[in-house]
Amino acid sequence: QLVLTQSPSASASLGSSVKLTCTLSSGHSKYAIAWHQQQPEKGPRYLMKLHSDGSHSKGDGIPDRFSGSSSGAERYLTISSLQSEDESDYYCQTWDTGIQVFGGGTKLTVL
Amino acid sequence: QVQLVQSGAEVKKPGSSVKVSCKASGGTSGPYGLTWVRQAPGQGLEWMGGIIPIFGTVYYAQKFQGRVTITADASTITAYMELRTLTSDDTAVYYCVKGWEDAFDIWGQGTMVTVSS
Repeated sequence: QLVLTQSPSASASLGSSVKLTCTLSSGHSKYAIAWHQQQPEKGPRYLMKLHSDGSHSKGDGIPDRFSGSSSGAERYLTISSLQSEDESDYYCQTWDTGIQVFGGGTKLTVL
Repeated sequence: QVQLVQSGAEVKKPGSSVKVSCKASGGTSGPYGLTWVRQAPGQGLEWMGGIIPIFGTVYYAQKFQGRVTITADASTITAYMELRTLTSDDTAVYYCVKGWEDAFDIWGQGTMVTVSS
């Protein structure tokens, strides 16, 4: 069964970097995913599509501070030079024939 | 760049139905899918199903099979999501997103559906 697992919460200091993790279920380590950001009281925004080899393509207007990488079944979103507006929920998403899956989301707190 | 514009907020009684629309405009005219995702208050994102308007191909999440119908008008690139037999658990923001067995790369503004007696 295709499942994405995310830690419920993360925190990091203003100006620092943070690396969020999304883990694919067993047997699905080659799948691409997408990362989405949801700021408080707003709708989600597409950040990037991330492949198993770490290559990624970002959405329009997404700052260079956001980057993606991969290792095995893990997909990462790294945010550098953290700003207050990065405090958001971050969701990963993947897909297969006839199905779409979301991770449970990670709530990022910027200290 | 494709933009997705959804219909306005709805308030419904338990047991009734709601139909939300999503009109795509701008960007490529090539075939793409429109998918429905909902988010209950304080909860995560939940996939409901989607359609490729130009082909009429539809998929539904198993959870919503039999209770949701997704249709589209290919001439206007407008997708519709009808959810029946509403309960308070269906109170949520319903999003239309562009994507089909791929990354959801454009989100609509969301439609709040409140189910209350």
